[in-house]
Amino acid sequence: DAKTTQPTSMDCAEGRAANLPCNHSTISGNEYVYWYRQIHSQGPQYIIHGLKNNETNEMASLIITEDRKSSTLILPHATLRDTAVYYCIVRVSSGSARQLTFGSGTQLTVLP
Amino acid sequence: EADIYQTPRYLVIGTGKKITLECSQTMGHDKMYWYQQDPGMELHLIHYSYGVNSTEKGDLSSESTVSRIRTEHFPLTLESARPSHTSQYLCASSIGGNEKLFFGSGTQLSVL
Repeated sequence: DAKTTQPTSMDCAEGRAANLPCNHSTISGNEYVYWYRQIHSQGPQYIIHGLKNNETNEMASLIITEDRKSSTLILPHATLRDTAVYYCIVRVSSGSARQLTFGSGTQLTVLP
Repeated sequence: EADIYQTPRYLVIGTGKKITLECSQTMGHDKMYWYQQDPGMELHLIHYSYGVNSTEKGDLSSESTVSRIRTEHFPLTLESARPSHTSQYLCASSIGGNEKLFFGSGTQLSVL
């Protein structure tokens, strides 16, 4: 699985968009980009995933660059409850149970 | 909403005790996983299962054992708990080739 690089921490003002970057320069053609978040002391929560097209759901948008070497998770209107560690993971989507490696992630703090 | 449950939520026990952490899911997922996470640190996969009667060790060596006798149930057992086992244990499940994991709320284990 391709390695990912994320900033250690970021701040965002409440109500503003939070843009979380992720670099995955060694990504291969069949690897997906997944985003999860983990609120303090809880289990991680799936947010969104994509292959090469931009994706949007009720939680967030995922923007993947044309060369697929980086992506950005966008929380359009951050709230205090969005304060969490955000993990960017690159993984081949297959039938294998060998599972997602979460890494260190980005600690997003939403400020009032 | 994910239907995956872990009990107990918190457990404080003495050294040498045998413990079992329970994990159940009602979604019919074939794959289940156990992750271990220390405060502020990364999640590490310690066990996973493709399905009934299938169990494998994960990336992080663990003295715990697991069983998968029923699809919905994936308990983790420590035969003789030690202070080094103090950690948060997170159970997750997924279905087929989908890498979307659903996590339980975790069990925070403290061994005195």
